Amino acid sequence: RKEVEQDPGPFNVPEGATVAFNCTYSNSASQSFFWYRQDCRKEPKLLMSVYSSGNEDGRFTAQLNRASQYISLLIRDSKLSDSATYLCVSGGFKTIFGAGTRLFVKA
Amino acid sequence: DTAVSQTPKYLVTQMGNDKSIKCEQNLGHDTMYWYKQDSKKFLKIMFSYNNKELIINETVPNRFSPKSPDKAHLNLHINSLELGDSAVYFCASSQGPVASSTDTQYFGPGTRLTVL
Repeated sequence: RKEVEQDPGPFNVPEGATVAFNCTYSNSASQSFFWYRQDCRKEPKLLMSVYSSGNEDGRFTAQLNRASQYISLLIRDSKLSDSATYLCVSGGFKTIFGAGTRLFVKA
Repeated sequence: DTAVSQTPKYLVTQMGNDKSIKCEQNLGHDTMYWYKQDSKKFLKIMFSYNNKELIINETVPNRFSPKSPDKAHLNLHINSLELGDSAVYFCASSQGPVASSTDTQYFGPGTRLTVL
């Protein structure tokens, strides 16, 4: 089992839609989690951190469920510019990246 | 001003050659990393250094040798390049010690290595 697992997608959604991604992690001792965004042929950039019970930043909401060992990312009112790959990350002594979920937002 | 920079951006070379990739960060961070992203887009940590000291060394062939002359620089030298080394190599840095799980990592633009 991979340490951090994500549905690779792609998710194809129209502008204005709400889309949710899930990610599961295997190390129950992991303390912190992040969502990074990676555009095509670019470097990953932090989208948001996920601590304790979750985090919200504008149209983006991240939730952490420790009992089930998964985190989620909800994007409301999708924009064309949200098209990217979203990487789920487990922080700690060794940072573990998921393989990413691809999102395409279409007009 | 670029926070984390890498050179070169593209590197095309023959099998068996030796090459180096350089990384510099001007953020004043203590920890730097090398990651490899393969054709399946899977990003895997290779090494991390905290204040010039090697902290993490994943199961990477010893043909890969990182060097940190100071805490703002982390270079990666690769000997006897193989076809399977073709990938994008990202350098990153973070503020505190690598054991701190809450620090954001800032990535360089990547070096696209192609081994022919």
